[in-house]
Amino acid sequence: QKEVEQNSGPLSVPEGAIASLNCTYSDRVSQSFFWYRQYSGKSPELIMSIYSNGDKEDGRFTAQLNKASQYVSLLIRDSQPSDSATYLCAVLGGSQGNLIFGKGTKLSVKP
Amino acid sequence: GAGVSQTPSNKVTEKGKYVELRCDPISGHTALYWYRQSLGQGPEFLIYFQGTGAADDSGLPNDRFFAVRPEGSVSTLKIQRTERGDSAVYLCASSLGQPITGELFFGEGSRLTVL
Repeated sequence: QKEVEQNSGPLSVPEGAIASLNCTYSDRVSQSFFWYRQYSGKSPELIMSIYSNGDKEDGRFTAQLNKASQYVSLLIRDSQPSDSATYLCAVLGGSQGNLIFGKGTKLSVKP
Repeated sequence: GAGVSQTPSNKVTEKGKYVELRCDPISGHTALYWYRQSLGQGPEFLIYFQGTGAADDSGLPNDRFFAVRPEGSVSTLKIQRTERGDSAVYLCASSLGQPITGELFFGEGSRLTVL
């Protein structure tokens, strides 16, 4: 059973701080990793993808991947109240094409 | 609109009834996914189509659930003999499909309530 594990939170950070979201996965053959953001009552939307070990930066967001440790993280710098949402880690499994999601971490950014 | 369209947005039914949920993907997207999401949980994979065929249906929970995509575009998720535990938001997503990526575009979902 392929699994994606996240701390469900809630994670509360003050405005302007760095929010750190973590994810581990069980399938060693996974090659592609994603962070989706889901606002309350809305559908998930893709914010970051990462395929290689190391860091990938996009604006205030940085995704980090360590395949040896089977660990993915998302850093949000200068957190804003509009970043308050549930962040879903997702892993593309093997050759089948199905995307497996974690339960999500709820982030709350306090003004 | 150019996004993924799902109908109905809300469906209330009684235990034991049959339900169909429809998904119209983004034009040109060959891959189509169905997920369901319960409150406080992440999306749970149900089935994935590449074109007209089900490339992976390993997430369908039992034989009451079935999905089709006869012309490689619109898909219908069919649930027979609904149970209260089927209550959830059913999400459809599409992607370009080739190569396979995890960059999915989701619809707004169909909220199913089984009384």
